[in-house]
Amino acid sequence: AQSVAQPEDQVNVAEGNPLTVKCTYSVSGNPYLFWYVQYPNRGLQFLLKYITGDNLVKGSYGFEAEFNKSQTSFHLKKPSALVSDSALYFCAVRGDTGRRALTFGSGTRLQVQP
Amino acid sequence: EAGVAQSPRYKIIEKRQSVAFWCNPISGHATLYWYQQILGQGPKLLIQFQNNGVVDDSQLPKDRFSAERLKGVDSTLKIQPAKLEDSAVYLCASSRVTGSSGNTIYFGEGSWLTVV
Repeated sequence: AQSVAQPEDQVNVAEGNPLTVKCTYSVSGNPYLFWYVQYPNRGLQFLLKYITGDNLVKGSYGFEAEFNKSQTSFHLKKPSALVSDSALYFCAVRGDTGRRALTFGSGTRLQVQP
Repeated sequence: EAGVAQSPRYKIIEKRQSVAFWCNPISGHATLYWYQQILGQGPKLLIQFQNNGVVDDSQLPKDRFSAERLKGVDSTLKIQPAKLEDSAVYLCASSRVTGSSGNTIYFGEGSWLTVV
């Protein structure tokens, strides 16, 4: 079975400061990891993904994520937060065997204060 | 490139009534998914199609939920009869072939259901 844990329900950060949203996963075989963002009353918007290769993945809107195989983590980061980054962030995983649909975490609400 | 289209965006029904949601995936995407997102939770897969065949419907409550993708393009998700606990956002998503786990899944805006 595959699963994702997002240990923080909410992350608060001041505008201009770096942000980190945490994610750990469990999956059979090689992991394929994704981050999505959801704004109020909207669907999920793809941010970035890790398939293979460089452990640091760069995505949309200045976000990046670091894959750590030994810690089974895929934390989302941004060097300088914007108020407009305030939203709900979801980490998701799928394996390369068995079930191929994405399994999502419970989400982390990011609040960036001016 | 047009995104995943869903309708209706919002629906309010009484319990025991029926409702249907429609989805048109991104052109050329063979795989289509329906996810249910209850407020405060992450999306949960209901059903996955590849072309017009079902790949995974293990979490679909088949006593009340049904879905079809007859021509391998559009899809309809139906709930009959609805229960209060079905109040959620129903997200349709699509991706290229299922064979590659690295393919990105793209989501529509969702259909928001309230059962009263």
